[in-house]
Parts: sequence; C-alpha cells; structure tokens
Amino acid sequence: GESVGLHLPTLSVQEGDNSIINCAYSNSASDYFIWYKQESGKGPQFIIDIRSNMDKRQGQRVTVLLNKTVKHLSLQIAATQPGDSAVYFCAEKGGNTGKLIFGQGTTLQVKP
Amino acid sequence: NAGVTQTPKFQVLKTGQSMTLQCAQDMNHEYMSWYRQDPGMGLRLIHYSVGAGITDQGEVPNGYNVSRSTTEDFPLRLLSAAPSQTSVYFCASSYSLGKTLGYTFGSGTRLTVV
Repeated sequence: GESVGLHLPTLSVQEGDNSIINCAYSNSASDYFIWYKQESGKGPQFIIDIRSNMDKRQGQRVTVLLNKTVKHLSLQIAATQPGDSAVYFCAEKGGNTGKLIFGQGTTLQVKP
Repeated sequence: NAGVTQTPKFQVLKTGQSMTLQCAQDMNHEYMSWYRQDPGMGLRLIHYSVGAGITDQGEVPNGYNVSRSTTEDFPLRLLSAAPSQTSVYFCASSYSLGKTLGYTFGSGTRLTVV
C-alpha cells in the first residue's frame, strides 16, 4: 500500500548550519511531492513542491531533491534560522485524484 | 480572500453526540480534503472531494461523513462521536494539482470526545 515515511523523528542543528530532512516513499506511481512546515498550533504551510519529471527544485533557502531510483526525497534548508524550528512533513500524490498522503514528520530544532 | 476557514476552533463532545465541522474556501478550488492529526503523528486523510457533488474515502473514513453540495463548502460530520475521534482536524483545498502550489490548509479544529 501507499506509505510515506521519514528517516529521523528529530533533527537538531546549530543556527546558521544547513539542515537536511529526509523522506522515503513507497509508491513508485507518485508523481508529485510536497514539503510542508507545521508550527505548533497551526496548520501545515506549503514550502516547496516537485514533480516526478524533475530531480531538483530550489526556492528561497530551500532545495528539494528527488531520487526516483531509490524513492527518496529530501529537503535542504540553508543557513537554518530559529524561525525554521517546526515539524516538517513530506507528502506524495499519485495520479489525478487529489489524494495527498503524508509522512510521519520530522521535528527540526534549531539551537542558538 | 480569507483562504480556508474552519469552524469551530475548539469543541468538546460527549460520546455518542453528533456534530459537523465546517470548512469553507473562497479561492474557487476544485479539490478539498479533511485530515486528522494525532499527537506525534502525521496527517491522515479522512475524505476528499475533487469537485462539487463528488466525494471519496481516504485512509481513515470510518465514523465520518462528508458532502460537497457547493464548490466552497466541505463539511465533515461525526454521526456518533467516540473518544478515538479526539484529534485535531484540518481541512485543505487546492486547484487541480496540475496548476497549483499544493494544498492550502485551514488552522484546524481541536476536538475532544469525553
């Protein structure tokens, strides 16, 4: 069945360092992936997305990498700031159903 | 443009009571979904809709009903609340994912069933 999982439940980094959050997915038919950030008490907030016909996409301070061979997705945050502290979720979608499946989430802690 | 609006923000129910969680969006989005989030877990899809009049089940549909009579509204109904339905519920909407930056989420409804 479909499953999306993250390798580490908690990631602790020093302010200013780069962060890498990983995600594994199992549905090879998934064609669209999204990273969300969720701060305490709030709904998930879109960060960046990538389609399966791409292997890299960059935003402001964030980069998503997609390796379809090993079904792996990563989110890189450059120069991590205290405001980046949150739970990060990857999500995958297959086909045209609008059905988005989320992984468990990784908590990012930024140390000053 | 209010985005995705969920009401109420907090609710306490007794076991066996029924209620409807409201969700409305003013972005003319085709897709709408309901998720639940339990402590330390990701979001699990309850029901979703790809347009008015069309709904389908997600990962955890049991105990919940939905309808989509208009593009704007996607209410979630609990017919007989159970303690296992204590959770935070999020509604989300999106254009067809061929044109969008992904789902926009509401701020959530925190439901406690005692």
